Amino acid sequence: GDSVTQMEGPVTLSEEAFLTINCTYTATGYPSLFWYVQYPGEGLQLLLKATKADDKGSNKGFEATYRKETTSFHLEKGSVQVSDSAVYFCALSNSNSGYALNFGKGTSLLVTP
Amino acid sequence: ETGVTQTPRHLVMGMTNKKSLKCEQHLGHNAMYWYKQSAKKPLELMFVYSLEERVENNSVPSRFSPECPNSSHLFLHLHTLQPEDSALYLCASSQDYFYGYTFGSGTRLTVV
Repeated sequence: GDSVTQMEGPVTLSEEAFLTINCTYTATGYPSLFWYVQYPGEGLQLLLKATKADDKGSNKGFEATYRKETTSFHLEKGSVQVSDSAVYFCALSNSNSGYALNFGKGTSLLVTP
Repeated sequence: ETGVTQTPRHLVMGMTNKKSLKCEQHLGHNAMYWYKQSAKKPLELMFVYSLEERVENNSVPSRFSPECPNSSHLFLHLHTLQPEDSALYLCASSQDYFYGYTFGSGTRLTVV
């Protein structure tokens, strides 16, 4: 079945550092890919998405490119801020499996001043 | 305002209590979901409703009972829970698979 694998955390970075959180997936057909963010004490918020190969999703300085050849959707940001400290989830949805999103385990990011 | 509202935000209940979690969306979505988020564990999909019909039930114990009276409301009825059921319960809705979900803020449940 479909699955998502993302890098284990926690990731600790200094403010203004470059961020990469790796995400790879296994799926049949043409899935859609998502990054969600969860701030402490809150639910998940959609950060960005890409619905077909070579699409780039972007939001709030974060970017991720849907790479079908490497089955990856890595999250990047050029200069992180303390306010980016949160847990980041990579997710996949696939028309083959109806509506349900398949989530990775989450990567905790801590940005220090 | 996320578009998906969950109440209550926090709930403490004894193992013999009966309580209900409520989720409401006014986004015009036609699918709604319950997820369980426990510390150190991945998000667990519990139930999926599409057009008010339950389409998925991932081997969830019968002490959790969902109800979807219309496309805007979703409930999770709880009875005789165990301490290991303590978790953040998240509701979400979606219109189609490639748009992704809109999540509520969750209900933090503690079973004592």
